[in-house]
Amino acid sequence: QKEVEQNSGPLSVPEGAIASLNCTYSDRVSQSFFWYRQYSGKSPELIMSIYSNGDKEDGRFTAQLNKASQYVSLLIRDSQPSDSATYLCAVYKGSQGNLIFGKGTKLSVKP
Amino acid sequence: EPEVTQTPSHQVTQMGQEVILRCVPISNHLYFYWYRQILGQKVEFLVSFYNNEISEKSEIFDDQFSVERPDGSNFTLKIRSTKLEDSAMYFCASTRTSGSYNEQFFGPGTRLTVL
Repeated sequence: QKEVEQNSGPLSVPEGAIASLNCTYSDRVSQSFFWYRQYSGKSPELIMSIYSNGDKEDGRFTAQLNKASQYVSLLIRDSQPSDSATYLCAVYKGSQGNLIFGKGTKLSVKP
Repeated sequence: EPEVTQTPSHQVTQMGQEVILRCVPISNHLYFYWYRQILGQKVEFLVSFYNNEISEKSEIFDDQFSVERPDGSNFTLKIRSTKLEDSAMYFCASTRTSGSYNEQFFGPGTRLTVL
């Protein structure tokens, strides 16, 4: 079983819609979860971190965590064409904090 | 806003040659990481570094790889004898603290092409 799984997409949504990105992880003791955005040819850019069950909102972004289901999601409200990128889910692992990444979901926001 | 920097942005080398990739972490950060991303694949952890020594390393980080903090600002990744399969984007990351709540910030990456 892969440690961090994401639907590779592409996920296509119209401008102004809500984009929903999902991630599951296999290690039940994982505590910290991160969403990164990666534009083509660029490096991962941290968008959100979440550590507790429930929702965490930051502007147009909401991260949701359900540890019982081993499930993390990212909602992007009022999606913009500039949100078109690959979204990477990452789970903290190890005593010194190395991250385990999923393959990412490619999001396309159509004007 | 402080950021992680990396040089060079693109490195082309011949198979068997040594390469050194350089990173300048954010100045008040204490924990440093190298990751790599082969084209079309996921970001993979290579090594973490704290207090001038390796904290953790992955299976990818074999004897061909080494890391060093030669001075107070630079953090380097050396590949001793490059192979074709080392072609990838290499990202340096840093964070201020360790533990579950560390947020890692990535540099722009070095694209390594091994011919």
